[in-house]
Amino acid sequence: DAKTTQPPSMDCAEGRAANLPCNHSTISGNEYVYWYRQIHSQGPQYIIHGLKNNETNEMASLIITEDRKSSTLILPHATLRDTAVYYCIVRVASNDYKLSFGAGTTVTVRA
Amino acid sequence: DAGVTQSPTHLIKTRGQQVTLRCSPKSGHDTVSWYQQALGQGPQFIFQYYEEEERQRGNFPDRFSGHQFPNYSSELNVNALLLGDSALYLCASSLAVGNTIYFGEGSWLTVV
Repeated sequence: DAKTTQPPSMDCAEGRAANLPCNHSTISGNEYVYWYRQIHSQGPQYIIHGLKNNETNEMASLIITEDRKSSTLILPHATLRDTAVYYCIVRVASNDYKLSFGAGTTVTVRA
Repeated sequence: DAGVTQSPTHLIKTRGQQVTLRCSPKSGHDTVSWYQQALGQGPQFIFQYYEEEERQRGNFPDRFSGHQFPNYSSELNVNALLLGDSALYLCASSLAVGNTIYFGEGSWLTVV
């Protein structure tokens, strides 16, 4: 069962930052936070993951609160191609072999 | 660097038939997982293969079976197809001890 809570949908203006929240209040100390997105009719695409420090890559930034009970994925300059379903997943990378997907957040970037 | 590749991309089967889907993992990856995604839902884990053995299985009936070959590629077999098996079937690969799982584009199965 999914251990995260995300808003079902959100809109974002093209060129603006998109901030996607995720609650994971029951996260364990050895569980990572992963973000994937799925553009319509395609396979899920890995975005970023982190344990407790903030992370940044070429796609996005991940901000994890100090108590690790929530996180925010930031798309710094949203484009129309960022329209997708975004999934926040918690996972023990070392011995949990699967990803448990919830319903995700449907993000629509508008021109 | 080739990513995860799956075949076929689309197929239609009749109820009661059997289907085989194929997957080649990302270069260098030795672990393959399969997921089922029904329309409007998130992907659901079916099972994972490592060293040619099933390592973990989700809540799917025995009609769903798999195989991993020495070159790490994998097959998903579904017997006695039901209308409810219509879905996008996703293959994912990773290193056995790696953090990141990568997905293919999936195989769309329609059962009529």
